[in-house]
Amino acid sequence: EPEVTQTPSHQVTQMGQEVILRCVPISNHLYFYWYRQILGQKVEFLVSFYNNEISEKSEIFDDQFSVERPDGSNFTLKIRSTKLEDSAMYFCASSGGGLTEAFFGQGTRLTVV
Amino acid sequence: GDSVTQMEGPVTLSEEAFLTINCTYTATGYPSLFWYVQYPGEGLQLLLKATKADDKGSNKGFEATYRKETTSFHLEKGSVQVSDSAVYFCALYKAAGNKLTFGGGTRVLVKP
Repeated sequence: EPEVTQTPSHQVTQMGQEVILRCVPISNHLYFYWYRQILGQKVEFLVSFYNNEISEKSEIFDDQFSVERPDGSNFTLKIRSTKLEDSAMYFCASSGGGLTEAFFGQGTRLTVV
Repeated sequence: GDSVTQMEGPVTLSEEAFLTINCTYTATGYPSLFWYVQYPGEGLQLLLKATKADDKGSNKGFEATYRKETTSFHLEKGSVQVSDSAVYFCALYKAAGNKLTFGGGTRVLVKP
């Protein structure tokens, strides 16, 4: 069964550093998303991406964040100048048509120290 | 804005007990409704969905019916197993916003 793959599974970084979280969506999907889940809290929408541009973003997704699809297969989330409160599980998702059949990756646990 | 409210956990049950997790939503228009499950140490998996009023989604013995009159999508299972221990998330989707809005999640623990 096709799946969304995220790397790394766990990333530890120092406050102020930049991190790039990587995702390989399902190959024929056209819509891509990032969500995050702070430990013990709800899953929060960050951004959706379609046709090589952001289609929707939340208030959380400020200038510190950016997304890119650099090579047609990967979908990355970059967090510049990380803060302690960025520590969370970050989930990538993809779908073929909107979000009606979204498939989520296993997540990347980001720990900022 | 759109929102989803779930009953708070944890919910602790014995094997073969009946499980209900309440979910209500607030949204304009006609959202699609979903239940996702997160097993320990894993990502989110789609459990079931319903795309219009009175639809019933079902999978792995779980069921939920889209009730527009009560804006609810309660999850039920008649006889739970230890392997059903997980966190369950109710979510809604609207094409206009192109995003899933999740509830807070309900942790379920099934004891043998």
